[in-house]
Amino acid sequence: AQTVTQSQPEMSVQEAETVTLSCTYDTSESDYYLFWYKQPPSRQMILVIRQEAYKQQNATENRFSVNFQKAAKSFSLKISDSQLGDAAMYFCAYRSAGGYQKVTFGTGTKLQVIP
Amino acid sequence: DAMVIQNPRYQVTQFGKPVTLSCSQTLNHNVMYWYQQKSSQAPKLLFHYYDKDFNNEADTPDNFQSRRPNTSFCFLDIRSPGLGDAAMYLCATSREGGSFYEQYFGPGTRLTVT
Repeated sequence: AQTVTQSQPEMSVQEAETVTLSCTYDTSESDYYLFWYKQPPSRQMILVIRQEAYKQQNATENRFSVNFQKAAKSFSLKISDSQLGDAAMYFCAYRSAGGYQKVTFGTGTKLQVIP
Repeated sequence: DAMVIQNPRYQVTQFGKPVTLSCSQTLNHNVMYWYQQKSSQAPKLLFHYYDKDFNNEADTPDNFQSRRPNTSFCFLDIRSPGLGDAAMYLCATSREGGSFYEQYFGPGTRLTVT
């Protein structure tokens, strides 16, 4: 079974600074998808960014980018120019490719943005 | 806007009194999920429907049931809620057969058991 580990239960960042959230996963598969979800306080979980394992190029979405290291099984999220609205729980998630597969979530990292 | 809607947002029930949570979607996704989430922990998958096919997680208590009468709606029934069932319940959807398989979440229903 796949496992997803987020070793930072809480992180803080100054507004306008950059922060990196860590995620590692364990799998024997070669084809899969990785996601970062954001869950603001009392608000719904939304997808921040996704990465297909077969793509070597790191995904980017505006201020959000990932550092995908397939051999190291690492998938970190970098948030640039942090804003107050970035404060949330961030969950890293893994999903196998090839037909329907359920998603495995990490335990989450709570990000605090300091004004 | 296409979305996942959950009602009610807050539900209070008494110990042992059956409760039903509802989820609807306008995304026309073929898979619907129910998750239980406690105290900023990771969501825990309870079950999902792939079209009409029901899939129960092995560790989901028998106390939890689900119905999906049509593509748009899915219900979570808790037959005899215990204090340990107090949690946030998240509904999510996905389109299998698409490109990216990400899940779309509703805002959740926070269940309190008194």
